[in-house]
Amino acid sequence: GQNIDQPTEMTATEGAIVQINCTYQTSGFNGLFWYQQHAGEAPTFLSYNVLDGLEEKGRFSSFLSRSKGYSYLLLKELQMKDSASYLCAAMDSNYQLIWGAGTKLIIKP
Amino acid sequence: GAVVSQHPSWVICKSGTSVKIECRSLDFQATTMFWYRQFPKQSLMLMATSNEGSKATYEQGVEKDKFLINHASLTLSTLTVTSAHPEDSSFYICSARTITDRQETQYFGPGTRLLVL
Repeated sequence: GQNIDQPTEMTATEGAIVQINCTYQTSGFNGLFWYQQHAGEAPTFLSYNVLDGLEEKGRFSSFLSRSKGYSYLLLKELQMKDSASYLCAAMDSNYQLIWGAGTKLIIKP
Repeated sequence: GAVVSQHPSWVICKSGTSVKIECRSLDFQATTMFWYRQFPKQSLMLMATSNEGSKATYEQGVEKDKFLINHASLTLSTLTVTSAHPEDSSFYICSARTITDRQETQYFGPGTRLLVL
């Protein structure tokens, strides 16, 4: 079956670095998305990876390994406003999104 | 874990026809369901919030007569795109909210691709 796993919750300190991992199993693969969702708001697009490697976008980077079915989101120089849920979603061969349950990231001063 | 399904996965229709998309929570009851629209590599745009047994709340700029939402039960919400036009072609995603152990969680559906010719 199709499945996505990511940690339920993580805690980090302001100014530090945190890596949120995501493993996936899908029927075919058409890319992996990361979204940020603050409570009560719609998910905001962060990144899309379809090729292996690291893509950097400011303080956020996303990595993909297709052979391992693995991705991570790296957040640097953490700020209090980064406290949110981070959703990992893989797109299968039918271009359907398989969603992870989300990782709640708590930033402490 | 909780699963949300959408039907159909894909739909291609002629301009002027109406299309109904179903969103179901498969193993939990959802007091609230959300409908989003997504453009490629962009954030999900909230269209409306649907509460069981009451009228949906639409976001600014979303035509309620065009995008009809019915939340008939705690496990089913439907979005009907009436008189669809090519500009309505998009990826529509629903989500369902539930509360377990006083924790609120939102589960997303796989999406429905609509192509209006």
